Amino acid sequence: AQSVTQLGSHVSVSEGALVLLRCNYSSSVPPYLFWYVQYPNQGLQLLLKYTSAATLVKGINGFEAEFKKSETSFHLTKPSAHMSDAAEYFCALSSGGSYIPTFGRGTSLIVHP
Amino acid sequence: KAGVTQTPRYLIKTRGQQVTLSCSPISGHRSVSWYQQTPGQGLQFLFEYFSETQRNKGNFPGRFSGRQFSNSRSEMNVSTLELGDSALYLCASSPGTSGVSTDTQYFGPGTRLTVL
Repeated sequence: AQSVTQLGSHVSVSEGALVLLRCNYSSSVPPYLFWYVQYPNQGLQLLLKYTSAATLVKGINGFEAEFKKSETSFHLTKPSAHMSDAAEYFCALSSGGSYIPTFGRGTSLIVHP
Repeated sequence: KAGVTQTPRYLIKTRGQQVTLSCSPISGHRSVSWYQQTPGQGLQFLFEYFSETQRNKGNFPGRFSGRQFSNSRSEMNVSTLELGDSALYLCASSPGTSGVSTDTQYFGPGTRLTVL
């Protein structure tokens, strides 16, 4: 079985500070990993995805994530937070040829001025 | 390109009723997936349709069903509504041609269903 754990249901940062959202996964086969963002009253938007190519993945809006197999992690980072980054962030996994994705419970990013 | 559209955006129903939600994918996309999002259970996969056939199914009771039409538009139906069915229902489309896990999914804004 596959699973995704997002550490921290809420993360609070100041504008301009580093953003770090944590995601750990469990999968018996090589995973494909995704980060999505959801703004209020909207659907999910893909930020970036890892599909077994480069382990450091760059996404939209200045976000990036690094796949670390030894740590079974795929943490999302951004060097400098903007107020517009305030949203819900979801880590997701699919693997083994299965289309059915597994989502983490989400992390709400709060950005203080 | 127009994005994924879902109608209606909001619905209020009572227990025991049934409901049909609609999703129009991005032009050219053949795969449509449905998800249920609730504060308690998070995001859960319902099912995926590709070329009018259900290709993948999540772990939901038979009260939840769907279909896809030849133009790739999809509908989801929930019969005999229960209070616990109150949720945001999200639809996502993708080209679907890779068949599996690496496709980027494009999500619609969702339908907010409230069951009273």
